[in-house]
Amino acid sequence: AQTVTQSQPEMSVQEAETVTLSCTYDTSESDYYLFWYKQPPSRQMILVIRQEAYKQQNATENRFSVNFQKAAKSFSLKISDSQLGDAAMYFCAYRVTGGAGGTSYGKLTFGQGTILTVHP
Amino acid sequence: EPEVTQTPSHQVTQMGQEVILRCVPISNHLYFYWYRQILGQKVEFLVSFYNNEISEKSEIFDDQFSVERPDGSNFTLKIRSTKLEDSAMYFCASAKEFVWISPLHFGNGTRLTVT
Repeated sequence: AQTVTQSQPEMSVQEAETVTLSCTYDTSESDYYLFWYKQPPSRQMILVIRQEAYKQQNATENRFSVNFQKAAKSFSLKISDSQLGDAAMYFCAYRVTGGAGGTSYGKLTFGQGTILTVHP
Repeated sequence: EPEVTQTPSHQVTQMGQEVILRCVPISNHLYFYWYRQILGQKVEFLVSFYNNEISEKSEIFDDQFSVERPDGSNFTLKIRSTKLEDSAMYFCASAKEFVWISPLHFGNGTRLTVT
């Protein structure tokens, strides 16, 4: 079974600085997707960034980037120039790819979450 | 941008009562999901639904739970006889036709409180 582990229950960062959130996962699959979701106090789940396992290049979305280490099964999220609006719970998530005729239907497996506090 | 909408935002019910949580997925999506999040804990998969049938379900999704797509737009989660431990945030999500490359879009959730 796939598992996702976020070992940092809480992190904090000063506004405008950089913070890295850690995530590790365990899988026997070779083809999968990894995601970071943000959950602000409103509780909505917002997709921040995603990474396809077959791609060696790390994904980047504006101030958000990932460090994907497939062999180490590590998928960390770096937030640059942190803003007050970045304060939220961040979830790392895994999804195996099914492909045409596959049995996977896109189920996400989430980590425990990391609460990020941004100090002005 | 199209959104997944969930109603109600907050539902309070008494233990043993039936409750139906409603979701309107994005219109051109074909894969539908329910997840739940007990306060302060991780988000857990409940069930996925495709082609008018359950495609996968978790151990949490026992006989007390059921899902339905009664028409072309709604996707519902029914809990037949609620327990205190069913109190949680319930999220509906949907994905496009090619689910293996499409991200899941989540609704804002329904907070279920069982008293």
